[in-house]
Amino acid sequence: NAGVTQTPKFQVLKTGQSMTLQCAQDMNHNSMYWYRQDPGMGLRLIYYSASEGTTDKGEVPNGYNVSRLNKREFSLRLESAAPSQTSVYFCASSEMWGENEKLFFGSGTQLSVL
Amino acid sequence: GESVGLHLPTLSVQEGDNSIINCAYSNSASDYFIWYKQESGKGPQFIIDIRSNMDKRQGQRVTVLLNKTVKHLSLQIAATQPGDSAVYFCAETPSNKLIFGAGTRLAVHP
Repeated sequence: NAGVTQTPKFQVLKTGQSMTLQCAQDMNHNSMYWYRQDPGMGLRLIYYSASEGTTDKGEVPNGYNVSRLNKREFSLRLESAAPSQTSVYFCASSEMWGENEKLFFGSGTQLSVL
Repeated sequence: GESVGLHLPTLSVQEGDNSIINCAYSNSASDYFIWYKQESGKGPQFIIDIRSNMDKRQGQRVTVLLNKTVKHLSLQIAATQPGDSAVYFCAETPSNKLIFGAGTRLAVHP
């Protein structure tokens, strides 16, 4: 059982380049999330999808877009990468939205924007 | 905005000792709290959770204590082992979304 799988694990971009981070979960969870983690700070929510077909902004959505492709997959896109987006990105999933349930996290994508 | 904070950024303990990691939360409306462990290069891993109608919950070698009066959460790890070395995050849910603290690094020395 793989849980939450993210690709790629590492990525280096130049300012202005675009890329998509992929995430898939095999736990039949309804809700999925994208977080970023910066040194000395907690995880901050970028976007979330409470259920298939819906997406909503989190705490720090600027510069990002998301797509809930199906129940399993939730992608994060950077249309024009900026150095401020250098971070570690984590995808997570939970069984239900708003039910105070624990999140299961992927292993992260380390992104550097030069 | 609301935030979750931690008292100690780094905690060093001897192997075999008990560890206590503290967390202060700011939103009195939060009714669910989680502790996560993050090892280097990995994603956060669920340790234990507690709901606001409880003040203590025990797991395997871990205990979470909740003091709603002073908005304080703690994670106790019994007989700390080298494998416990990691960053520990507390998180609260004031509005259906988890809000994470900055984390405390636990270093276990032989």
